[in-house]
Amino acid sequence: EDQVTQSPEALRLQEGESSSLNCSYTVSGLRGLFWYRQDPGKGPEFLFTLYSAGEEKEKERLKATLTKKESFLHITAPKPEDSATYLCAVQPATSGTYKYIFGTGTRLKVLA
Amino acid sequence: NAGVTQTPKFRVLKTGQSMTLLCAQDMNHEYMYWYRQDPGMGLRLIHYSVGEGTTAKGEVPDGYNVSRLKKQNFLLGLESAAPSQTSVYFCASKITSGELFFGEGSRLTVL
Repeated sequence: EDQVTQSPEALRLQEGESSSLNCSYTVSGLRGLFWYRQDPGKGPEFLFTLYSAGEEKEKERLKATLTKKESFLHITAPKPEDSATYLCAVQPATSGTYKYIFGTGTRLKVLA
Repeated sequence: NAGVTQTPKFRVLKTGQSMTLLCAQDMNHEYMYWYRQDPGMGLRLIHYSVGEGTTAKGEVPDGYNVSRLKKQNFLLGLESAAPSQTSVYFCASKITSGELFFGEGSRLTVL
């Protein structure tokens, strides 16, 4: 069964304390892996797409990486405004292009 | 550029009442989706559409109906609301590939 698991469920960091969020997946073929940021009371906002193992994408303090079984979202020197829930979604290659499987997210809190 | 707009943003219903959530996108996207988001669960697909005049069932379609009469609009209907349908509903759209663009959400409470 296709599955996406994110860890940890919640993470508290001090401002400037770097860390990584994990998204592990089990799918029979990967069409794409997506990272989103969701602020309280808002819809998910797209961050990155990764398509193949070894690929990396960067945006400001965020860097996403991909292996054959998992993806990491590295946060370098985070600031309080990085506090949000980060969602991972996988698009299986064996399903139609409509299908995405979402993880339950990691709630990140960055303390000043 | 508004992107994906959902109305209403908040609604309280009594059990058995009906309502419709409206999603409008101005990006000329082919695909549109309705998801629900509940605490401790990932976004779950209710219904989706791959083009004007088409709809299909997702993972949790029971108790919901949809229509896509115009390319830019996707309506989600609840014919007889139940407390289990208390949730936050998100509409999303995309071109034929790539990432989803989400609306701000509609928070529904069924008493």
